[in-house]
Amino acid sequence: GAGVSQSPSNKVTEKGKDVELRCDPISGHTALYWYRQSLGQGLEFLIYFQGNSAPDKSGLPSDRFSAERTGGSVSTLTIQRTQQEDSAVYLCASSLRVQNNYGYTFGSGTRLTVV
Amino acid sequence: QKEVEQNSGPLSVPEGAIASLNCTYSDRGSQSFFWYRQYSGKSPELIMSIYSNGDKEDGRFTAQLNKASQYVSLLIRDSQPSDSATYLCAVRRYNFNKFYFGSGTKLNVKP
Repeated sequence: GAGVSQSPSNKVTEKGKDVELRCDPISGHTALYWYRQSLGQGLEFLIYFQGNSAPDKSGLPSDRFSAERTGGSVSTLTIQRTQQEDSAVYLCASSLRVQNNYGYTFGSGTRLTVV
Repeated sequence: QKEVEQNSGPLSVPEGAIASLNCTYSDRGSQSFFWYRQYSGKSPELIMSIYSNGDKEDGRFTAQLNKASQYVSLLIRDSQPSDSATYLCAVRRYNFNKFYFGSGTKLNVKP
């Protein structure tokens, strides 16, 4: 696609429920990143995928968070047993390649609200 | 110590003035530096990148890098109200695949 596509754009869920967030990167971009941004805060790195390499999961805040990337393209971020502190905007980004100086292109984000 | 530090602001400048946004980083091995603009409720968009010491100009924007001082800045000339946004500094460390973001500086350009 022309840009990074994320869905849903908004998600309200009850505490304790599981949610899945989807990211479709720019065609041809091999690197895919998930960040989250809490209200008024900077971007917090969650996880990074590059091709068929093992993902860098160093930013995942707990084992309730997981992500996968199928076929080197679409990625799904899953949050199990959601908590109120999970409320944030979850941003997906892609870039042309790993050792890149091209910067990221971000999607429009998924605003998650846990009530 | 945070990887990337920015003054949260808000920085207020009158229309037509030069806005100066600053960022410091902790790792001397950092090699790529980026400025993103984020309008309220929107996702960040890349506006400048810089890799070498010195200045890089793109239209009204100039990025400045001083690796010895671990300092990167963004100058916006002839500031416009449409420049009002939060500006995020991002740094990529050598051999690391992710960017470290500052918490952003909010810029207000007053008509």
